[in-house]
Amino acid sequence: NAGVTQTPKFRILKIGQSMTLQCTQDMNHNYMYWYRQDPGMGLKLIYYSVGAGITDKGEVPNGYNVSRSTTEDFPLRLELAAPSQTSVYFCASRAGFTYEQYFGPGTRLTVT
Amino acid sequence: DAKTTQPTSMDCAEGRAANLPCNHSTISGNEYVYWYRQIHSQGPQYIIHGLKNNETNEMASLIITEDRKSSTLILPHATLRDTAVYYCIVRVDFGNEKLTFGTGTRLTIIP
Repeated sequence: NAGVTQTPKFRILKIGQSMTLQCTQDMNHNYMYWYRQDPGMGLKLIYYSVGAGITDKGEVPNGYNVSRSTTEDFPLRLELAAPSQTSVYFCASRAGFTYEQYFGPGTRLTVT
Repeated sequence: DAKTTQPTSMDCAEGRAANLPCNHSTISGNEYVYWYRQIHSQGPQYIIHGLKNNETNEMASLIITEDRKSSTLILPHATLRDTAVYYCIVRVDFGNEKLTFGTGTRLTIIP
């Protein structure tokens, strides 16, 4: 199993641009998550999904959108990028019968 | 979720046991203790979790005091690859999708 994969690894955006961060897991996990981690800080939950077609907001959803059309994929959309969205973004997933989350390698995003 | 307190940083000699403490004096009866770690620039990695009994797996042991107000993560034979930030997280599992990471303990393994 590849586990949780994320693309791209790095990206630089200009203010006002949009992009989609991709996340895929091959563990057949129902639950998927997006977090952001600012320098020197802990992770904050942006959005999560408990299954295909179901998403919900986390702590810091403003400026982001998500969709979950398949079990495997959970893309994160940034509309109108702002410097405050400069961060490292992690995707995670878990099975329905356990609460341990498995994380991807992250996407480092810079907005200038 | 209950608040946790961890030392900011710790050192441990390679090959020795690394003992990482966590204080969670306001823990509720239905809250679990989870440990994750984050090796530099990588995604967090789940280590272990427990409710009130001590737990052991292939990576570590978790010792929870009888009053559950504190716990210790033990890495029995630390290697250089164990250098990371270790996060102690206390949370209710059922109906809770939030995993709140604080600032953790930066563990450095010394050769």
